[in-house]
Amino acid sequence: DVKVTQSSRYLVKRTGEKVFLECVQDMDHENMFWYRQDPGLGLRLIYFSYDVKMKEKGDIPEGYSVSREKKERFSLILESASTNQTSMYLCASSRLGTTYTDTQYFGPGTRLTVL
Amino acid sequence: DQQVKQNSPSLSVQEGRISILNCDYTNSMFDYFLWYKKYPAEGPTFLISISSIKDKNEDGRFTVFLNKSAKHLSLHIVPSQPGDSAVYFCAASANYGQNFVFGPGTRLSVLP
Repeated sequence: DVKVTQSSRYLVKRTGEKVFLECVQDMDHENMFWYRQDPGLGLRLIYFSYDVKMKEKGDIPEGYSVSREKKERFSLILESASTNQTSMYLCASSRLGTTYTDTQYFGPGTRLTVL
Repeated sequence: DQQVKQNSPSLSVQEGRISILNCDYTNSMFDYFLWYKKYPAEGPTFLISISSIKDKNEDGRFTVFLNKSAKHLSLHIVPSQPGDSAVYFCAASANYGQNFVFGPGTRLSVLP
């Protein structure tokens, strides 16, 4: 059974704190993604990675950074948390496929509140 | 500017009837489309997909229709069940499904 896990379901941090969100997948997937979900805006891509030590900016990378030191683990870092980063954060993974049959598998999400 | 739009934020349907969820896109390079379902406090789960070489794909109670000329797709659920109550996201990709653009979602409520 495919599994994507995220380190915390709920997190409360203060403005200015450094925040780490961890994601681990056990499917040996090459691709990993970080999204944030906000009402009325859907899922917006923050960063993604096609391989270890490789990262690409998504649509809204400002204020975030990522790290992928191992294939199964993809970390999202908020260098200095701000209140507008209060959101639901979703991690996903997928195979590096060449067909139309590949899909992304999501973790349960981390609801981050920045006070 | 949103490339994938779901203009109905919510939809209510009676149990046993058909649910139709709509999605419009603006990028003509999109060639692969998916629907995801999301329950509260869970991550989205894949429901059904369609590539641009098809205009219809069926999987049990779920059918997705694609109208490329109108840049429109729709998800039909027949018959609707209370367990189908969730938020449904439409997503599109332009490059073999590596990277998706998601719509804002439609909250479906199926009333018993």
